[in-house]
Amino acid sequence: QKEVEQNSGPLSVPEGAIASLNCTYSDRGSQSFFWYRQYSGKSPELIMSIYSNGDKEDGRFTAQLNKASQYVSLLIRDSQPSDSATYLCAAFNNNDMRFGAGTRLTVKP
Amino acid sequence: GAVVSQHPSRVICKSGTSVKIECRSLDFQATTMFWYRQFPKQSLMLMATSNEGSKATYEQGVEKDKFLINHASLTLSTLTVTSAHPEDSSFYICSAPGGAHEQFFGPGTRLTVL
Repeated sequence: QKEVEQNSGPLSVPEGAIASLNCTYSDRGSQSFFWYRQYSGKSPELIMSIYSNGDKEDGRFTAQLNKASQYVSLLIRDSQPSDSATYLCAAFNNNDMRFGAGTRLTVKP
Repeated sequence: GAVVSQHPSRVICKSGTSVKIECRSLDFQATTMFWYRQFPKQSLMLMATSNEGSKATYEQGVEKDKFLINHASLTLSTLTVTSAHPEDSSFYICSAPGGAHEQFFGPGTRLTVL
């Protein structure tokens, strides 16, 4: 079974802090990695993609990938209450996308 | 990003009836679409892969005769929940892949079976 593992949380951070979300994957052949945000009662929306080792920054979001450690992370700087949601990590290999169970993030005002 | 629509967004039906959910890619073609189910406070569960022009591929434990999938065109896939029962009540979400392996999700359909 090709697994994507995430800490289910909840992760609680104060407004303005850095939220750090972590994910590990078991399929070494995974080529692409994604972070999705899902608000309660809504479908997931793509917020970041990363394909090579290192960091990728987009606004307040930074995705980090370490293929040797099979580890993906998402940092959210200057966290806002509107960032409160469940964050899903996904790994893609050969038309097979696997999702983690998600980490619930709460940003407290 | 690409747009995927679903219809209906919400449906309530009586036990024993069949419900059809449509998934459309609005500005791109999708030879493959995916159907997920999500129960409250649980993770996204892949049900099946819908393939244009061929049979759907079902995940282990998903009954293909209960969840009928038809990928009629390059922009439309339908999921029919046959003889629905209260335990089928869930949030059904479809997705279509983009050019960079990402998935674009539809807004979801909330099914309630009475």
